[in-house]
Amino acid sequence: NAGVTQTPKFRVLKTGQSMTLLCAQDMNHEYMYWYRQDPGMGLRLIHYSVGEGTTAKGEVPDGYNVSRLKKQNFLLGLESAAPSQTSVYFCASSPGVSITDTQYFGPGTRLTVL
Amino acid sequence: AQSVAQPEDQVNVAEGNPLTVKCTYSVSGNPYLFWYVQYPNRGLQFLLKYITGDNLVKGSYGFEAEFNKSQTSFHLKKPSALVSDSALYFCAVGGGSSNTGKLIFGQGTTLQVKP
Repeated sequence: NAGVTQTPKFRVLKTGQSMTLLCAQDMNHEYMYWYRQDPGMGLRLIHYSVGEGTTAKGEVPDGYNVSRLKKQNFLLGLESAAPSQTSVYFCASSPGVSITDTQYFGPGTRLTVL
Repeated sequence: AQSVAQPEDQVNVAEGNPLTVKCTYSVSGNPYLFWYVQYPNRGLQFLLKYITGDNLVKGSYGFEAEFNKSQTSFHLKKPSALVSDSALYFCAVGGGSSNTGKLIFGQGTTLQVKP
C-alpha cells in the first residue's frame, strides 16, 4: 500500500494563477483532510470530507475549494493564488469508523506564491 | 472551543538523558489526545494516542505519554533520548463537541538531541 500520496511535491506560482493539489489514498478511508503548515502555527485545517461527494469547511477555508468526487481522491484548488498561500500543504485520511481514529498523513506539497 | 498548547518552541537534551515534551489542552467533554512526529521534509507520523483507560500510553520508538486530567496535560516522554529522535513534535486534541475526527494541533516543539 502506498498510503497517502500527494501530487505535486513542489510548485511555484505567480500571484493570480490557479492550481489543483491532488491527494490520493489507497486505504479505503472515509474521511480526508487538507491542512496547511506554517512556521510557529502548527497545522491548520482548511477543508475536510467525511465521505465521497461531501466536503466541509475547516479553520482556514478562505481562498480554497475542494472536491471529493471519488472516495480515494481529495482535491484542493486555489482559484487565484496569493502570496499568503505560500505554505506546506498536507493531506490526511482516517478510516471514519470512530472520532478517535488516527489520521494518516501524506508527504506534503511545498507551494510558493510569488 | 478546543485548543492545545505546546509551551516550548525547542527542547534540547543530551543523548541518553530522559526527555519531556510538554502539551496542555482545553476541551469541553472527554478529550482524545495524539502525538505526531515530523522528520525534515516528511509528513507527520503517528506516535501514540490517549482515548480512555490507563493514563500512561505507550507508543512507537520507545515514546510514552501521560494523561493528567487535573492538569489538562499530555506530556510526551522517553527514558533515554537518541540523536535520531531529533525532529518536530506535534500534540493534537480531538473529541469534545467534534464528531468528525477533526484535530486541533499545537504549534509544534523542535526536539534537538545532542551526542
